[in-house]
Amino acid sequence: GAVVSQHPSWVICKSGTSVKIECRSLDFQATTMFWYRQFPKQSLMLMATSNEGSKATYEQGVEKDKFLINHASLTLSTLTVTSAHPEDSSFYICSARRTGGLGNEQFFGPGTRLTVL
Amino acid sequence: AQKITQTQPGMFVQEKEAVTLDCTYDTSDPSYGLFWYKQPSSGEMIFLIYQGSYDQQNATEGRYSLNFQKARKSANLVISASQLGDSAMYFCAMREGPNTGNQFYFGTGTSLTVIP
Repeated sequence: GAVVSQHPSWVICKSGTSVKIECRSLDFQATTMFWYRQFPKQSLMLMATSNEGSKATYEQGVEKDKFLINHASLTLSTLTVTSAHPEDSSFYICSARRTGGLGNEQFFGPGTRLTVL
Repeated sequence: AQKITQTQPGMFVQEKEAVTLDCTYDTSDPSYGLFWYKQPSSGEMIFLIYQGSYDQQNATEGRYSLNFQKARKSANLVISASQLGDSAMYFCAMREGPNTGNQFYFGTGTSLTVIP
């Protein structure tokens, strides 16, 4: 099956710093990628939809200036958490839709665990 | 209203027994897709099974089957012959519309524990 990678798999940073998370589709092109956040023992909450070559669409309540998304190519989307604070500590998961794929063709990355001290 | 409802926060099953994880959904779109994912403690979302709204037969993938009751708007996951490695969180999800690029709505999950 298709593979989506995320880098880094985990990161610890100081409060006030920025952290960039990469999401790559390794063997397929992805016009659309999604970014989710998952707090412990909770479900995945969609943060934003990232479309290649255009601005991301953010869900209500998600600060676009804090969570910067760049989908610069058909295989790479990045999420930058700017001026991170402890409440941003979470598990961030991306998923990628294979261009021209079938109904079940959306693949998840392994996730990135962010801890802000 | 919740798009996806999973009413079982935790379930226990004896090894080698079958278990059903409940999922109901809410949509007015005639075209939609239903998914089940397994999330072990590592956090990775593992795709298990997919059911399209127009599929006539219930989906099956190895030990996983989806009991699709369209009129009841339910899409329960049945795991047969449970194994210790099945212990994990299980999420039901729905994609509305025919476009595979549409977002997923996730349920709150069910934590399954397989007892030896």
